[in-house]
Amino acid sequence: LAKTTQPISMDSYEGQEVNITCSHNNIATNDYITWYQQFPSQGPRFIIQGYKTKVTNEVASLFIPADRKSSTLSLPRVSLSDTAVYYCLVGRPVNYGGSQGNLIFGKGTKLSVKP
Amino acid sequence: DTGVSQNPRHKITKRGQNVTFRCDPISEHNRLYWYRQTLGQGPEFLTYFQNEAQLEKSRLLSDRFSAERPKGSFSTLEIQRTEQGDSAMYLCASSLGMNTEAFFGQGTRLTVV
Repeated sequence: LAKTTQPISMDSYEGQEVNITCSHNNIATNDYITWYQQFPSQGPRFIIQGYKTKVTNEVASLFIPADRKSSTLSLPRVSLSDTAVYYCLVGRPVNYGGSQGNLIFGKGTKLSVKP
Repeated sequence: DTGVSQNPRHKITKRGQNVTFRCDPISEHNRLYWYRQTLGQGPEFLTYFQNEAQLEKSRLLSDRFSAERPKGSFSTLEIQRTEQGDSAMYLCASSLGMNTEAFFGQGTRLTVV
């Protein structure tokens, strides 16, 4: 299973663009990259998932270089409500079960957005 | 649909007691997962069900832990003879099939004193 490395914490100010980079040097050919957001005392929430190049949705963008050994979650114009822990996961597409490509949550990146 | 519901939200118990948590998944979701999360760590996979069948159990799930999903709807997670190390947030998630997004509940926070 591919291991991920991401910064433990990041600080930002309201209105700024935030980029969180995740390293996954041992990513396998069939693995997808998925990002989750978690607020205190709540369960994780799916943000975005991608395989290569760029993926964009209403919440964020995900940039994946050609070698797929890293990925960057981009949050445009963050607000105070974006303060949360962000997890980068690598595995089979949105599969959370057991040994068949179960997704491993690391410690995540704690993003603090200040006014 | 109100999403994944977990009860209780908080539970304080004395060491050695048994506790049971309940998870009601989103209607028609056939997959249900249990995770455990301690402070400062990401969620750790415990087990999952497809309908009523328990298909995978993590090594984290000791013999004091048991999970059931009768009739393939709600699920219960029981911890027998609780220990202080069991103190954690227990998260439940559900999904419609294998390759679809899973939705997490708000969790049950267990404190063993």
